[in-house]
Amino acid sequence: KNEVEQSPQNLTAQEGEFITINCSYSVGISALHWLQQHPGGGIVSLFMLSSGKKKHGRLIATINIQEKHSSLHITASHPRDSAVYICAAHTGNQFYFGTGTSLTVIP
Amino acid sequence: GAGVSQSPSNKVTEKGKDVELRCDPISGHTALYWYRQSLGQGLEFLIYFQGNSAPDKSGLPSDRFSAERTGGSVSTLTIQRTQQEDSAVYLCASSLMASGTHNTYEQYFGPGTRLTVT
Repeated sequence: KNEVEQSPQNLTAQEGEFITINCSYSVGISALHWLQQHPGGGIVSLFMLSSGKKKHGRLIATINIQEKHSSLHITASHPRDSAVYICAAHTGNQFYFGTGTSLTVIP
Repeated sequence: GAGVSQSPSNKVTEKGKDVELRCDPISGHTALYWYRQSLGQGLEFLIYFQGNSAPDKSGLPSDRFSAERTGGSVSTLTIQRTQQEDSAVYLCASSLMASGTHNTYEQYFGPGTRLTVT
């Protein structure tokens, strides 16, 4: 069993749609990270959460510590949002990664 | 300013050879992380360094893997007696600290080293 599970694995959306990517984890965490990996391979850190909700532009990340669940939302999706979104649980001296959600936004 | 740099960008080696991968973190960042991403697979955490503290090596996949960080800056990941299953992109990241808020904890990733073991 993976320590971090993401869903969906693949997602195709029309431009403008509201998108939700889910992440469930089974370990105790000090922080939960959301990363974005572009088709060229570069990785960017989007959010680090230990509680509550954070917003950056059209991106919103929430976490429910009791339920061990986090969501990444993209409002008014755009083709440039097409990327792989990765959830990572930081616990102690370890990081556990989800397998990623591949998002394609069609114009 | 300069971001995280890694060298070489690509490395092809024969099975059984040793390889060294280098990471130059962002200046002033005290935390440095190594990950790998095998083809079609997710990210896998290897090891991280925080300041001058000894790293937790339990994430390294085998004793053929070792990492060091000299002077709290540049880090080298060494793979001895490479095997074909070591083929992957090895990513390095650094952050201001290994804890705290997103501002101090946000990881900046390098472009990776693509290792191919033939």
